[in-house]
Amino acid sequence: KAGVTQTPRYLIKTRGQQVTLSCSPISGHRSVSWYQQTPGQGLQFLFEYFSETQRNKGNFPGRFSGRQFSNSRSEMNVSTLELGDSALYLCASSSWVNTDTQYFGPGTRLTVL
Amino acid sequence: GQQVMQIPQYQHVQEGEDFTTYCNSSTTLSNIQWYKQRPGGHPVFLIQLVKSGEVKKQKRLTFQFGEAKKNSSLHITATQTTDVGTYFCFSSSNTGKLIFGQGTTLQVKP
Repeated sequence: KAGVTQTPRYLIKTRGQQVTLSCSPISGHRSVSWYQQTPGQGLQFLFEYFSETQRNKGNFPGRFSGRQFSNSRSEMNVSTLELGDSALYLCASSSWVNTDTQYFGPGTRLTVL
Repeated sequence: GQQVMQIPQYQHVQEGEDFTTYCNSSTTLSNIQWYKQRPGGHPVFLIQLVKSGEVKKQKRLTFQFGEAKKNSSLHITATQTTDVGTYFCFSSSNTGKLIFGQGTTLQVKP
């Protein structure tokens, strides 16, 4: 079974721009969660999608949004980028509920200049 | 809101020494999972604990879930250089939000 894939792996943007990151979960998994990882804050939960519906959301501003498609692939979007948005963005898929084992993708390293 | 506090933040040990990281919650957890992230890698699932007082072992790793299901620990016996990485505990809050502990970064000196 193929693992979780994320594209792109690396991204450089400037302040004010927007960015879209993509995540393809393990085949058959219906739950996709997104996390932001920074050296100072560790892993912070962004949101979780299940069957195209946002099921849970972390404490991030509205500039962070996401969606899930019928094939369970998910995208997250960050608008009006700020320097502090520089981070590793990880997505994880799980089979059914968010308390199942999380299978992480390799992440997208976003640098905002 | 519900938080999971993990200590210590960093630990440097000599190869062969033991290592322990602890996670503590202000509220009862339904379950707790542990993940390991190697430098430059992504978190990888190690184990899940569900029952009060549960203890599970994986070779040199011992995982415990407290009787009150508010704390958990991961203990590594006789560390090796391959144990280097950051260890995270993970659970979900009673509102469904997913919470990771801050992580403990382990360095092992050969």
